[in-house]
Amino acid sequence: AQSVTQPDIHITVSEGASLELRCNYSYGATPYLFWYVQSPGQGLQLLLKYFSGDTLVQGIKGFEAEFKRSQSSFNLRKPSVHWSDAAEYFCAVGARDSGGGADGLTFGKGTHLIIQP
Amino acid sequence: SAVISQKPSRDICQRGTSLTIQCQVDSQVTMMFWYRQQPGQSLTLIATANQGSEATYESGFVIDKFPISRPNLTFSTLTVSNMSPEDSSIYLCSVAGTGAHEQYFGPGTRLTVT
Repeated sequence: AQSVTQPDIHITVSEGASLELRCNYSYGATPYLFWYVQSPGQGLQLLLKYFSGDTLVQGIKGFEAEFKRSQSSFNLRKPSVHWSDAAEYFCAVGARDSGGGADGLTFGKGTHLIIQP
Repeated sequence: SAVISQKPSRDICQRGTSLTIQCQVDSQVTMMFWYRQQPGQSLTLIATANQGSEATYESGFVIDKFPISRPNLTFSTLTVSNMSPEDSSIYLCSVAGTGAHEQYFGPGTRLTVT
């Protein structure tokens, strides 16, 4: 079974500073990888995804993530954060279904991002 | 991405009662999923709901407690039965299209059991 570890429960970053949120996964093959963001009182929004190919993927809101197979990692980065980026960030892994369908996702515990003015 | 709505958005229920949550999508989708997010926690998959077949439940979740219906390709319901305070959570549905693996989430239903 797959698992996801987000080692940082809380991260505080100054507005305008760079950001990196860590995500490590455990899965027997190459998984599908996702980052979602959940703002207070909001649902989950998909930031970006990795299926195959280029290991550096671009997402919405200026976020990017890099898949590193050797480290089983999929860290999320942003060069300059804005106050509106304050939210809960979840890394998720999905199994590759041999039938071509989607499987349910396994989520990490989340990282709470705080932006300092 | 699909537009997903859930009803109710929130509810306060008494112990021992049941609540049915609806999930409506604006387009036909192959896969629908139900997740639970307990207070301050991450999301946990409850079950996968496919049209025309029984839902597939994850370990720790049973059909008697969380019956699911999927009558067509745009709608599903999750019932939380015989509720206890431990069922207080946000319940979210998500969808994935044919051949797609990313999931899009509804706004969630915030349930409080007293």
